Amino acid sequence: GQQLNQSPQSMFIQEGEDVSMNCTSSSIFNTWLWYKQDPGEGPVLLIALYKAGELTSNGRLTAQFGITRKDSFLNISASIPSDVGIYFCARGGSNYKLTFGKGTLLTVNP
Amino acid sequence: DAGVIQSPRHEVTEMGQEVTLRCKPISGHNSLFWYRQTMMRGLELLIYFNNNVPIDDSGMPEDRFSAKMPNASFSTLKIQPSEPRDSAVYFCASSSGDGSSANTGELFFGEGSRLTVL
Repeated sequence: GQQLNQSPQSMFIQEGEDVSMNCTSSSIFNTWLWYKQDPGEGPVLLIALYKAGELTSNGRLTAQFGITRKDSFLNISASIPSDVGIYFCARGGSNYKLTFGKGTLLTVNP
Repeated sequence: DAGVIQSPRHEVTEMGQEVTLRCKPISGHNSLFWYRQTMMRGLELLIYFNNNVPIDDSGMPEDRFSAKMPNASFSTLKIQPSEPRDSAVYFCASSSGDGSSANTGELFFGEGSRLTVL
């Protein structure tokens, strides 16, 4: 099957630091999505990207759809303790099928 | 507004027992998805329903797993008999339309059912 490589697997940072994570795919797709999963909850959509080169912000979060359409990154600026959780990239495919990355576990030390 | 509602939140059972997980999608959504989350494999799509009809069950691991959607507001995922390797968090998610809206990120997840099979 088609693979999504998400990195890093985990990050331990101090409050106030910036964070960057990324996803790469071996294939070209038309949609990149970033979800966050809080402990004990289901994933929630943060940002959706639909166009190569698109740069979108949501508060302290910024995500970009790579020009090659094979990658995407998510940046979090000035991290706070509630940013803790697992961040997933996901890629849209045919119709209803989303392929999720393995996730990046973020820990923020106050 | 109520989101996707799943029950039970936690279940611990013994190998060989039957497990039934339940889901109520968001009212008005006509696409429903069951996902399984494990450390090793991440989030995997098990089955997708549209207008209560199973469209794609290719992700269902084996015959021990079955899912039904008797009406627009209720779905079940059943495991019989359960095995320790079925231990995971099972998520139900819903979206509107024919499911293609899931590709735009308009996929709403429940809080999950954490299953432990001893």
